[in-house]
Amino acid sequence: AQSVTQPDIHITVSEGASLELRCNYSYGATPYLFWYVQSPGQGLQLLLKYFSGDTLVQGIKGFEAEFKRSQSSFNLRKPSVHWSDAAEYFCAVGPLTGNNRKLIWGLGTSLAVNP
Amino acid sequence: NAGVTQTPKFRVLKTGQSMTLLCAQDMNHEYMYWYRQDPGMGLRLIHYSVGEGTTAKGEVPDGYNVSRLKKQNFLLGLESAAPSQTSVYFCASRRGPGTGDEKLFFGSGTQLSVL
Repeated sequence: AQSVTQPDIHITVSEGASLELRCNYSYGATPYLFWYVQSPGQGLQLLLKYFSGDTLVQGIKGFEAEFKRSQSSFNLRKPSVHWSDAAEYFCAVGPLTGNNRKLIWGLGTSLAVNP
Repeated sequence: NAGVTQTPKFRVLKTGQSMTLLCAQDMNHEYMYWYRQDPGMGLRLIHYSVGEGTTAKGEVPDGYNVSRLKKQNFLLGLESAAPSQTSVYFCASRRGPGTGDEKLFFGSGTQLSVL
């Protein structure tokens, strides 16, 4: 079965600390991987994506993610968290080909940042 | 540059009432999606469209209908609202196949309460 698991429902970090949000997936084909962020009361915004090439990808707002095929993981990282990073983070996986390109979404990780 | 615009932003309905949510995008995107977001459930796809005049069912289509008469608009209808349809609804759009751009653009959401 195809699925995306974000093991951490809620994470709290201190401002300036490093951050890692976990994402594990189960997908039959070569996946297209995404991280989206949702600020309170807003829609989702793409942070970064990966489908081939260098397994470490850089995104907006200083985020990066590493694709590990052997572990079926696509973890999101940031070296130093800012208070404005408090938000909900969603990992998603989708097909590289096909007409509908429907994504499978994780349930999200809520990030709180302590001052 | 408006992007994806959803109207209304908030709505309260009584059980059995009908309403239409409008999604408009000004990016000439081929694909459009309607999602609902519920606590602990993540994003669930209701219906989607891969082009003007086409629609297809997603994961949770029951109780909803959609239309894509114009490329820029994707309408979501509730014919007879039920309390179980209380949710936050998001519209999203993206370019078509072969563009190499899988990024989804989201609207800011519609909060719907059905009493």
